[in-house]
Amino acid sequence: GIQVEQSPPDLILQEGANSTLRCNFSDSVNNLQWFHQNPWGQLINLFYIPSGTKQNGRLSATTVATERYSLLYISSSQTTDSGVYFCAVAGGYQKVTFGIGTKLQVIP
Amino acid sequence: GAGVSQSPSNKVTEKGKDVELRCDPISGHTALYWYRQSLGQGLEFLIYFQGNSAPDKSGLPSDRFSAERTGGSVSTLTIQRTQQEDSAVYLCASSSPATPSTDTQYFGPGTRLTVL
Repeated sequence: GIQVEQSPPDLILQEGANSTLRCNFSDSVNNLQWFHQNPWGQLINLFYIPSGTKQNGRLSATTVATERYSLLYISSSQTTDSGVYFCAVAGGYQKVTFGIGTKLQVIP
Repeated sequence: GAGVSQSPSNKVTEKGKDVELRCDPISGHTALYWYRQSLGQGLEFLIYFQGNSAPDKSGLPSDRFSAERTGGSVSTLTIQRTQQEDSAVYLCASSSPATPSTDTQYFGPGTRLTVL
């Protein structure tokens, strides 16, 4: 199956700072999603982005499918951004595979 | 509209007992997924339903695990003869895909299972 690697595994930011999270995957995909899991465990879909660039407020994401990576940008981080960010991919009719996540802590 | 719901939210059981976990997907969503998340870990795929059929059961960890979906809606995940290593949060997600892997998944709040 498709392998997914996320980096960095852990990240601590001062409130207001910007950051970039990376997701590398081992094969062609037609589905790539970024999720945020808040400290209470709820998973929220941030982007469905198998290719191209999308923006939603302070968050944006870019997927370069031909080079098999995706980036999630967080600008002007806030304490409410804390949690774990997961990248999830699938190709064809395969199951969705999650990376192990980037744990983000934003400190005031 | 209502999101994905799961019940119970918490389940504590004794080793060797059977448990049933329930997932109510978003109305009209044809695809349903079960995942398991152990403490501090990522999500482990268990099983996927398209309608009432399960084309991919590859993630079920053992034959103690089974799942069914009826009426293209509610799904139950059953764990027989629970073991302590089954303790985890069990998450359900649903989506409305043209193909199984081309749509956004919406997650429920999860069921936290503790096996004593």
